Amino acid sequence: NAGVMQNPRHLVRRRGQEARLRCSPMKGHSHVYWYRQLPEEGLKFMVYLQKENIIDESGMPKERFSAEFPKEGPSILRIQQVVRGDSAAYFCASSPEDSYNSPLHFGNGTRLTVT
Amino acid sequence: AQSVTQLGSHVSVSEGALVLLRCNYSSSVPPYLFWYVQYPNQGLQLLLKYTSAATLVKGINGFEAEFKKSETSFHLTKPSAHMSDAAEYFCAVSGAGGYNKLIFGAGTRLAVHP
Repeated sequence: NAGVMQNPRHLVRRRGQEARLRCSPMKGHSHVYWYRQLPEEGLKFMVYLQKENIIDESGMPKERFSAEFPKEGPSILRIQQVVRGDSAAYFCASSPEDSYNSPLHFGNGTRLTVT
Repeated sequence: AQSVTQLGSHVSVSEGALVLLRCNYSSSVPPYLFWYVQYPNQGLQLLLKYTSAATLVKGINGFEAEFKKSETSFHLTKPSAHMSDAAEYFCAVSGAGGYNKLIFGAGTRLAVHP
C-alpha cells in the first residue's frame, strides 16, 4: 500500500510565478490536510479537505493560496504570484477519518524555493 | 486555545545515554498529544500518541512518553540512544475543530554522538 505521494519533491519558482503542489493520499483515505514548515519552525496547519469539500481553511493566507481535492485525482495546493516568503516545505497528510484513532500519514513534502 | 512548547531546540547525547525531549502543552479541552519524528528530507512519522487511556504511552523504536496533567507535560524518553535516533522530533496537540488539525511545537533536533 503506497504511502502519501507528493510531487514534485523540489520546486523552484521565480517571484510572480504560480506554484502547483500535488498530493495523492493513501488508498482509502478521503481526508487530506496541508501543512507548511518554514525554516527552523514546526509545521503549521493550512487547510483540511475532504473529497470536493474544503472543511477548514483557517490556516490559509487570505490571498494567493487555494486548495482543492476533486472527486477524481490528487489534491492540489496552488500558490499564485509567489513571493520569497512562500519558500518552505509543504507537507500533505491523509487519514481515513478525522478521529484520534486515525492519526495522520505524511508525505515526504514539496520543498518550494522562490528566487 | 491549544499550544505546544518544546524546551531546547537542540539536544545532544552520547550513544547509549538516556534521551529526554521536553514538551509542555496548553489546552482548553482534554488533549490528544503526539510525538512525531522527521528524518532529513522526509515527512513526519508518528512515534506515539496519547488519547486519554494509559498515561504512559509506548511507541516505536523504544520511545515512550508520560502524560502528566498536573505539569501539563508530555516528555519523550528513550533509555539508550542509538545513532539512528538522530533526527528532529516534534510534539503536537490536537487543535480545536478536529483531531488531525494539529498544533506543532517548533521541534527539537537530536544529535547522537559516539
